[in-house]
Amino acid sequence: AQSVAQPEDQVNVAEGNPLTVKCTYSVSGNPYLFWYVQYPNRGLQFLLKYITGDNLVKGSYGFEAEFNKSQTSFHLKKPSALVSDSALYFCAVRDRGSQAGTALIFGKGTTLSVSS
Amino acid sequence: EPEVTQTPSHQVTQMGQEVILRCVPISNHLYFYWYRQILGQKVEFLVSFYNNEISEKSEIFDDQFSVERPDGSNFTLKIRSTKLEDSAMYFCASSEASSRTYEQYFGPGTRLTVT
Repeated sequence: AQSVAQPEDQVNVAEGNPLTVKCTYSVSGNPYLFWYVQYPNRGLQFLLKYITGDNLVKGSYGFEAEFNKSQTSFHLKKPSALVSDSALYFCAVRDRGSQAGTALIFGKGTTLSVSS
Repeated sequence: EPEVTQTPSHQVTQMGQEVILRCVPISNHLYFYWYRQILGQKVEFLVSFYNNEISEKSEIFDDQFSVERPDGSNFTLKIRSTKLEDSAMYFCASSEASSRTYEQYFGPGTRLTVT
């Protein structure tokens, strides 16, 4: 069965410091991997994805994520955090062999809090 | 930028009542989805819909649930007889049929409260 683990309920960083939000996955085949962000009273917004190719993918708002097949991880990173990055972050996975209509499997989410 | 929209933003209903949650997907998208998030828990897949039929559904999507595309723009989720445990945030999403990148675009959600 496919699953996603986000081991931290909350990550606290100071503005200007680098941030990492962790994600590990389990799928039967090769994965498509996604990060979404949810601001209060808003829907999930797509940040970035790993489909194939370079293991380091860049996305919106200066975020990037590194796909590590051996560790089955896809950690979200940003070199310098902003207070406005404070939100709930979700990692999601889909089996590469799936068709376009197949569900995304989400982690439970990690709350990122950036202090000024 | 095109967005998925959902109405209402908050729905309060009594146990046993029927509710219909409405979504307008992005206009050129052909795959539609419903997810739900019970407070403090994961976002869970309910159902996907393509070409006027259900493509995939989860164990949560039992006979109390149904989906429909009543016209060219709306996509609805109906819960026939609501239960207390149906209280959750319900998200609609859509994706392009021809895209191999598979990202889904989500609406802002409808908070359903069953009393």
